[in-house]
Amino acid sequence: DAGITQSPRHKVTETGTPVTLRCHQTENHRYMYWYRQDPGHGLRLIHYSYGVKDTDKGEVSDGYSVSRSKTEDFLLTLESATSSQTSVYFCAINYRQGLNYGYTFGSGTRLTVV
Amino acid sequence: KNEVEQSPQNLTAQEGEFITINCSYSVGISALHWLQQHPGGGIVSLFMLSSGKKKHGRLIATINIQEKHSSLHITASHPRDSAVYICAVFLVDGGSQGNLIFGKGTKLSVKP
Repeated sequence: DAGITQSPRHKVTETGTPVTLRCHQTENHRYMYWYRQDPGHGLRLIHYSYGVKDTDKGEVSDGYSVSRSKTEDFLLTLESATSSQTSVYFCAINYRQGLNYGYTFGSGTRLTVV
Repeated sequence: KNEVEQSPQNLTAQEGEFITINCSYSVGISALHWLQQHPGGGIVSLFMLSSGKKKHGRLIATINIQEKHSSLHITASHPRDSAVYICAVFLVDGGSQGNLIFGKGTKLSVKP
């Protein structure tokens, strides 16, 4: 395992409240990603980071912000949670080891907005 | 439009059967990734390949770059193979972020 930890694993929150999800990695990888997974859709990119304080938007970034103040932590914030943001959120890292490269995913955070 | 298409969407098999899951894509890619997700579970990488064929235990993955098609085969299937199998492609011009596009997944159920 590439040492990726997501927290919390499950969360129920009320509409309109801010929520922050955390992704922590232990192997100093440069690239980190936040995806959401919904029935009928493939995984969709929310935001990604290519270094400390370097982030960019993905396909479904509206309503989300991210921060990366340290290499090991990538935070995803729902500024004002809505029911449409009920989803499973996955963090991932992109690793490169010589000619080998790929993605490793965290265990996911199941978020319910009521 | 779906740049990565998987078929079938759902598949039920009897234990011991040979299983094939297909992935077709319409974009230029540098590599293709097969992932496995058990119910309620995380996502695990099975294979990454850019040409030819790879084998790991009972799993075999093939890719034909010219035809823009990949297959995942499971020999002697077992109930523990029941999971969602996801195809994902690395875009050639994905930039420094190594952009990855996912198929919607194939849900496999293997009955004892």
